[in-house]
Amino acid sequence: SQQGEEDPQALSIQEGENATMNCSYKTSINNLQWYRQNSGRGLVHLILIRSNEREKHSGRLRVTLDTSKKSSSLLITASRAADTASYFCAFHSGGYQKVTFGTGTKLQVIP
Amino acid sequence: ETGVTQTPRHLVMGMTNKKSLKCEQHLGHNAMYWYKQSAKKPLELMFVYNFKEQTENNSVPSRFSPECPNSSHLFLHLHTLQPEDSALYLCASSRETPGQGHEQYFGPGTRLTVT
Repeated sequence: SQQGEEDPQALSIQEGENATMNCSYKTSINNLQWYRQNSGRGLVHLILIRSNEREKHSGRLRVTLDTSKKSSSLLITASRAADTASYFCAFHSGGYQKVTFGTGTKLQVIP
Repeated sequence: ETGVTQTPRHLVMGMTNKKSLKCEQHLGHNAMYWYKQSAKKPLELMFVYNFKEQTENNSVPSRFSPECPNSSHLFLHLHTLQPEDSALYLCASSRETPGQGHEQYFGPGTRLTVT
């Protein structure tokens, strides 16, 4: 399967702590993306990192990509209760348009 | 608001009913997608359209029939569904060029329950 695998499946932290989620994949990729989904809602794009990039920042988000290990991580710093959501990685592995999503990490930030 | 709308937001239908889901994007994108999200399962890509042409059908049963009359509108026609088809159906759009894999913008989804 080309599906991405994420760990942990669930993560519970206190407000103010950092949250780290990991994603692994099996094929070579053009880019890797992270999305957020609040319960029962659509996904929202957070950040895209290209295969020739190693790290990218957006506000409190930091994404790293290690193509030799076929893995990526998403770090959310100084977490807030509003960050409670599911987070998905998604990767584009060539071809036209198709992006494959990972299994997701459910993050709970306790106030 | 992401610029992608879906109607209805909730739908309950019997196995013999015929219904349609509608998606509209106001972003000027050329690609549109249908996804199925079931409890405790990864997001499943169902169909992809680019400039109204279907470019991907991910082995979806024929009881799901997509229609894309133009680059801004996408429909999913449903008939004789099964209870296991109950799920959140998500529509997305993106600006696509070959081999680029741009970010996708999702609608809020239609929560479908088949009784």
